Amino acid sequence: SQTIHQWPATLVQPVGSPLSLECTVEGTSNPNLYWYRQAAGRGLQLLFYSVGIGQISSEVPQNLSASRPQDRQFILSSKKLLLSDSGFYLCAWRPSYGEQFFGPGTRLTVL
Amino acid sequence: DQQVKQNSPSLSVQEGRISILNCDYTNSMFDYFLWYKKYPAEGPTFLISISSIKDKNEDGRFTVFLNKSAKHLSLHIVPSQPGDSAVYFCAATDQGAQKLVFGQGTRLTINP
Repeated sequence: SQTIHQWPATLVQPVGSPLSLECTVEGTSNPNLYWYRQAAGRGLQLLFYSVGIGQISSEVPQNLSASRPQDRQFILSSKKLLLSDSGFYLCAWRPSYGEQFFGPGTRLTVL
Repeated sequence: DQQVKQNSPSLSVQEGRISILNCDYTNSMFDYFLWYKKYPAEGPTFLISISSIKDKNEDGRFTVFLNKSAKHLSLHIVPSQPGDSAVYFCAATDQGAQKLVFGQGTRLTINP
């Protein structure tokens, strides 16, 4: 069966510090991968998605970036965090069509 | 341009009664629709889906109805239970798309 992992579960970072969130998927090959952010009391905002290694599509211009160095690994990064980057970050995977499955999420607080 | 809309940010229902969550979409190319349930500080979990070739899909207490002419879908939960209290997201896609389009969510509260 397929599983998706995200770490860390929670993170507190100062403004201006770098960020690296990692997501890995097991039990599937060539999944579509996604990064979402949910700000407090808001919906799910799609940040990036990837349909293959090295292929990244950006949905929202911001100071975040994403990379997919391996088939089942998706990384969300920032060189300098802003206060507005605080939120709940979710990784998800999906086969080429059908249901999408989410990871447990990372709570990021930027102080 | 919000292609998927959940116009009710919140809904309160008595335990044991029916909960009806609504979702509207604008893109006539959408042919697959999904509902997710989300608890605080957790990832959304998939509940039920429906293809545009159907107008109803049922799974236990959960039923999704699709009205293509009205571009409207709804999720019925019956009977509602306290554990159903969560935020519910509807989502839509089409076969050529690589991503789901989500609504803004509806917070469902089941009162004892």
